[in-house]
Amino acid sequence: GENVEQHPSTLSVQEGDSAVIKCTYSDSASNYFPWYKQELGKRPQLIIDIRSNVGEKKDQRIAVTLNKTAKHFSLHITETQPEDSAVYFCAASMRGGATNKLIFGTGTLLAVQP
Amino acid sequence: NAGVTQTPKFRVLKTGQSMTLLCAQDMNHEYMYWYRQDPGMGLRLIHYSVGEGTTAKGEVPDGYNVSRLKKQNFLLGLESAAPSQTSVYFCATRGEGVGTDTQYFGPGTRLTVL
Repeated sequence: GENVEQHPSTLSVQEGDSAVIKCTYSDSASNYFPWYKQELGKRPQLIIDIRSNVGEKKDQRIAVTLNKTAKHFSLHITETQPEDSAVYFCAASMRGGATNKLIFGTGTLLAVQP
Repeated sequence: NAGVTQTPKFRVLKTGQSMTLLCAQDMNHEYMYWYRQDPGMGLRLIHYSVGEGTTAKGEVPDGYNVSRLKKQNFLLGLESAAPSQTSVYFCATRGEGVGTDTQYFGPGTRLTVL
């Protein structure tokens, strides 16, 4: 089955710096890769996703890149702000399958220091 | 629209007691999922449903049962609670069709088993 590894587990940056979180997946059939943000005590919420027919996707200060050959995908946050502080989860699934189950990474706690 | 709701928000059980968690959605989504979230473990899939009347096992199904008698509700049952089931439980839903990959999460239920 699919396995998703996420690094680092914690990340501390200064406000205005960039943050990068990396994930690797094991199942080459996976073709959908979302990123979720979870603030303390809240539910996970989708912030960006990418499908395997695209190498990069950007939404304002957030971007995701995908390397299918290496089975890596990464989240990039530029010009970080204190409100970016949260736990970020990557996930992988196979779109078009019977279930579209998401397999999550173990999360990265991002702390943005003002 | 309420989106995805979960009942109850908090619960404390004694070992051996039973309880049912309710997930309700008004988004007319076919797919529903139950996850548990533990520190350092990310989100792990317990059971899921691809439509009314269907259920299937996820990654960590032992000790849990589910039912989907109505499309809008997905119930998670613990027949004999154990301390290892202390966790935060999240329900999620997803639509069916092109462009419906996003899973929408409920607010979570924090369960403590003493």
